Amino acid sequence: EADIYQTPRYLVIGTGKKITLECSQTMGHDKMYWYQQDPGMELHLIHYSYGVNSTEKGDLSSESTVSRIRTEHFPLTLESARPSHTSQYLCASSASGANVLTFGAGSRLTVL
Amino acid sequence: QKEVEQNSGPLSVPEGAIASLNCTYSDRGSQSFFWYRQYSGKSPELIMFIYSNGDKEDGRFTAQLNKASQYVSLLIRDSQPSDSATYLCAVNGRQLTFGSGTQLTVLP
Repeated sequence: EADIYQTPRYLVIGTGKKITLECSQTMGHDKMYWYQQDPGMELHLIHYSYGVNSTEKGDLSSESTVSRIRTEHFPLTLESARPSHTSQYLCASSASGANVLTFGAGSRLTVL
Repeated sequence: QKEVEQNSGPLSVPEGAIASLNCTYSDRGSQSFFWYRQYSGKSPELIMFIYSNGDKEDGRFTAQLNKASQYVSLLIRDSQPSDSATYLCAVNGRQLTFGSGTQLTVLP
């Protein structure tokens, strides 16, 4: 079944650690996105990609980085996690020419 | 002014009533409009989307666009307790921009 997968679902980590949040989709979508959302708050776009080797920063400044080496894979990396990075990170994808987003289940990150 | 604005609520309606959710947007060139539902602790899921050429009905849900006044509405008929969630409006401009959401509670 075509879907979008995020791992880990939950991560608790200490300050200064490097973390990578994985996102993979099996829908053949060209466009992929990372959003950040705090509880009860709005979604903020932090990164997006329209295809392989193409990545852009979103509206919300983020210390994270992303890569798009394969169409189906769009990992997000934090080189040195801080408590201010505690949040939920949502990955999404959409087909070219459309902006109908399909979201993954999310990765809830807690940095102590 | 925010690009997409929604009343944060909470909006409470009794079971069986019509829930009306509204969203205003600032970019007159926007061509497509989306409504997502987000249950607490879950990720958003698409309910429906419309283009600038007309309204759309899908089961109990109707999305309406008023281009002159730059607002989009979502009507939920025969509201059920399972409809209790946060409803996010999104507008397609340079990027898809989300509003902050309206929290809806349907009271049994």
